[in-house]
Amino acid sequence: DQQVKQNSPSLSVQEGRISILNCDYTNSMFDYFLWYKKYPAEGPTFLISISSIKDKNEDGRFTVFLNKSAKHLSLHIVPSQPGDSAVYFCAASSGSQGNLIFGKGTKLSVKP
Amino acid sequence: DAGVIQSPRHEVTEMGQEVTLRCKPISGHNSLFWYRQTMMRGLELLIYFNNNVPIDDSGMPEDRFSAKMPNASFSTLKIQPSEPRDSAVYFCASSNRDRVYEKLFFGSGTQLSVL
Repeated sequence: DQQVKQNSPSLSVQEGRISILNCDYTNSMFDYFLWYKKYPAEGPTFLISISSIKDKNEDGRFTVFLNKSAKHLSLHIVPSQPGDSAVYFCAASSGSQGNLIFGKGTKLSVKP
Repeated sequence: DAGVIQSPRHEVTEMGQEVTLRCKPISGHNSLFWYRQTMMRGLELLIYFNNNVPIDDSGMPEDRFSAKMPNASFSTLKIQPSEPRDSAVYFCASSNRDRVYEKLFFGSGTQLSVL
């Protein structure tokens, strides 16, 4: 049973528009959430995170929103650029755990 | 810092052979993780170590898989005997658990193909 779900395997967006990637989780003990970005033939790299005491965290073009009541988070990329084309993984953990639980990923394609 | 270093980058082997994947974590990090990426299951945790001690190996699929961390700068993941369904990308990651919620840093992965 997946504790972190990314229900959209892929997303295609036009350059300059907004990309919205979604993630749902089932474990109410999760209190820290991260997004990782992965290019082909490379390992995932950290993009942005949010703790459960916040509902929004922004870093440049990237913003993560957390809705605890819905157990849902989303990553917004504005404006989207072709270089953003990659697989994006949502991950979650709790203070009592040492590991991250990942979703299956969403492949984002930003078209020029 | 060179980051997390994994070797080999690619491994092609025949069913039944032993496979050993290697990882050097970032210096100073005290936690090390082995993940496996497949199309069906995404990124799944196999095992993680804290201060060289295995903490959670519940993700290790079968007894054919074993992992060791003999010291703070080296870990291996061994598959013996290997099977075609083990074909995947295996990632090693490290972090500093002395800081709560410290993010993981990943290596470039080992692409394993078992024929």
